[in-house]
Amino acid sequence: QLQLQESGPGLVKPSETLSLTCTVSGGSISSSSYYWGWIRQPPGKGLEWIGSIYYSGSTYYNPSLKSRVTISVDTSKNQFSLKLSSVTAADTAVYYCARLYRGMGAFDIWGQGTMVTVSS
Amino acid sequence: DIQMTQSPSTLSASVGDRVTITCRASQSISSWLAWYQQKPGKAPKLLIYKASSLESGVPSRFSGSGSGTEFTLTISSLQPDDFATYYCQQYNSFALTFGGGTKVEIK
Repeated sequence: QLQLQESGPGLVKPSETLSLTCTVSGGSISSSSYYWGWIRQPPGKGLEWIGSIYYSGSTYYNPSLKSRVTISVDTSKNQFSLKLSSVTAADTAVYYCARLYRGMGAFDIWGQGTMVTVSS
Repeated sequence: DIQMTQSPSTLSASVGDRVTITCRASQSISSWLAWYQQKPGKAPKLLIYKASSLESGVPSRFSGSGSGTEFTLTISSLQPDDFATYYCQQYNSFALTFGGGTKVEIK
């Protein structure tokens, strides 16, 4: 069955760029039925959608993060990636990648999440 | 942005209780609402999509209703495995937003 796995550094310095990759296995990222997204959760807090991408490269971002976020897709590697620039301690969170099923309007498959701490 | 407001933020209940959680949208989202369950240290799990459709494999004691701006998630008979935090999420506009969450605790 389809699985998603996040990877990337667990520690990022303030003002630097956070970079994460989500690898999709057990299925193709190039399906017209799905978007692929990033969601984060600060410790002890709720969920925040960061942005989503279609396999064609069309992107959609949270307006509150849009100036700092870039999401890209590499269909040859079945991966999509997140870059968040100029990070601060407020960006410390568990970062999840997930599949958004267009017909449902919901994230039906999630990665396990990866903790990213912003600290010097 | 569409704001999603969940209530209550915390709910204390006993096994066997009927539990209802409400999610209100700041503007109409038709039926584009999903509900998730999250347990500590785990990724959220999809329960309900399009306001009232049960995700495959989810027990039938979970149900969703509503349209427009007001939605509810109901657990008909709370089970020990249901103690968790629940989130709603809207998809009407592609600036997705989640509700603040409702923690269901053991009474």
